[in-house]
Amino acid sequence: KNQVEQSPQSLIILEGKNCTLQCNYTVSPFSNLRWYKQDTGRGPVSLTIMTFSENTKSNGRYTATLDADTKQSSLHITASQLSDSASYICVVSVNNAGNMLTFGGGTRLMVKP
Amino acid sequence: DAGITQSPRHKVTETGTPVTLRCHQTENHRYMYWYRQDPGHGLRLIHYSYGVKDTDKGEVSDGYSVSRSKTEDFLLTLESATSSQTSVYFCAISDLGLAGVTYNEQFFGPGTRLTVL
Repeated sequence: KNQVEQSPQSLIILEGKNCTLQCNYTVSPFSNLRWYKQDTGRGPVSLTIMTFSENTKSNGRYTATLDADTKQSSLHITASQLSDSASYICVVSVNNAGNMLTFGGGTRLMVKP
Repeated sequence: DAGITQSPRHKVTETGTPVTLRCHQTENHRYMYWYRQDPGHGLRLIHYSYGVKDTDKGEVSDGYSVSRSKTEDFLLTLESATSSQTSVYFCAISDLGLAGVTYNEQFFGPGTRLTVL
């Protein structure tokens, strides 16, 4: 069964600190891996999308890495801000059509002043 | 929210009543999706559409039906709502054929919180 596991489930950090969120997947075949940010009460918003051949991609203070051999990805947030408080969801697609997505349960991040 | 609206945004209903949720897009995207999001689970696909009148089932389609009579509207119907269908429902849209893009990025609406008593 295709699965996406994220850790930790929740995380509290102080403003200005860095953090790394983890994602392990057993999805096969693999097409691409996405990280979404979901603010409370809102829909998810895409941060990065990485295909099989990409092992890192950045979007501002967010940097995602992908190791397709070990089926692991991480999302690193640099110099956290209060607005980074949200859930971060790892999503794996089995095809380019994007209609077969497997979602992780998310990591809930709280950034405190 | 990428030109996607959902209505209603909140609804409380009773077990056994029919419920219809609406998703409306202004992006002219070909694909539309309905997901549900529950604590302890990732988003799960209910149904999706790949064109007007073209729909298919997702992972958790039992108890739900959909219709798409126009490109911009995708309706999700719970024929007889049950308490297990209490959830937050998200609509998403995507399209292929964007220049230089080899994947199909999905854009999500703001969600509808449904409570079935």
